This record gives sequence, C-alpha cells and structure tokens, in this order.
Amino acid sequence: SQTIHQWPATLVQPVGSPLSLECTVEGTSNPNLYWYRQAAGRGLQLLFYSVGIGQISSEVPQNLSASRPQDRQFILSSKKLLLSDSGFYLCAWSVPPEGEGIQYFGAGTRLSVL
Amino acid sequence: SQQGEEDPQALSIQEGENATMNCSYKTSINNLQWYRQNSGRGLVHLILIRSNEREKHSGRLRVTLDTSKKSSSLLITASRAADTASYFCATDANNAGNMLTFGGGTRLMVKP
Repeated sequence: SQTIHQWPATLVQPVGSPLSLECTVEGTSNPNLYWYRQAAGRGLQLLFYSVGIGQISSEVPQNLSASRPQDRQFILSSKKLLLSDSGFYLCAWSVPPEGEGIQYFGAGTRLSVL
Repeated sequence: SQQGEEDPQALSIQEGENATMNCSYKTSINNLQWYRQNSGRGLVHLILIRSNEREKHSGRLRVTLDTSKKSSSLLITASRAADTASYFCATDANNAGNMLTFGGGTRLMVKP
C-alpha cells in the first residue's frame, strides 16, 4: 500500500536560518507531488507542485523553493526564513490520471519562525 | 485565491444531529472533493463527486452537486463526537498537475 512520510512534525527556527523539509512517498511510481501551507484556522495554499523528477511549478512567489531529486522525494527549502514563513506545511501526492485528482496527505510540519 | 468557499465557517451541534456544510466555487470543474482534517493533522479524503453526478453517498456522508449554481453540500447524518474536525471542499478543474483548489473550511464541533 502507498504511504507518505513527512518530517519533522514540529520545527522551531530563527529568522534568517535555512529550511529543509522532506517528503517521501512509498508504494507508487511517478506520482504528482504537492507542497501546501496552511495558516491557523484557514484553508490550504498551494505552494509548489511537481509532475516528474526535476519538474517544479511554483504557484506563489515567495521565499521558498522546492526540488524533486528523485521520483518519490519532494523537498521544500529556504535559504533565509522570514517570520511570515511560519505555518503548517503539508505534502501530498496523487496518481494521474486514474486517481481523479484525489490527493493523499502527510501528517504535516508545524514551522515556527522566531 | 480560494475557489471553494465553505459555509458556515463554524458549526456546533449535539451528537446525533445532522451537520450540513456548503461549498461554492467559481469555475467549471471535473470533480469536487471533500476532505476532513483533525486538529494539527493532515487532510483525509472523504468523497469525490464528478461533474456529471448530482448526489453521492458513502456511509453517513451524503454529497450533492449543483453545477448550475456551482455549489455542493456535505451532509453528515447522526453525527458523533468523533466527527469533530474541519471539513474542506476542493475542486479539480482539469488543470495541469491535477491541482486542487481548496476552500477555507468548516470547523465542526459535535458535542457529546
């Protein structure tokens, strides 16, 4: 069966420090991968998505970047964190086209930038 | 911007009552999905309704879709305290990457 791993669960980082969040998927090949950010009590904002290795599309211009070095690995990075980068970050995957766009989410990373 | 907008933003009911949440969207869609999120956790897919369907059932869940009004509703019957969570609608507009556009969510509290 397919599983998705996202870590760490919680992260506290100082302003100006770098960031690396990792997400890996098991049990499926060539998935679409997604990074979302969720502010407290709000909906999800799509940050990046990827349809294949090395293919990254950015939805929101910001202080973050994403990479997909392997088929089932998706990394969210920043060189210098801002206070506004605080939030709940979620990774998700889907299997096009037979999956009908249903997305499966990781447990999330709560990032606090202080 | 958020395509789906849920209504109400928050809902508090007693165990055993039914809970109805509504979602409106703006563009044409392939399908509409509902997800559940427990506090501090990832989202879990609940049910998908295609653009050519009007109603779908899954256990205690009933979803309707009105493409002429660009709206959907999620009904949870005989609610339980364990149904307490946030519920989100998401639309698939057949775009590149099968991106979903999520609404702001409805926070449901079911009191025992």
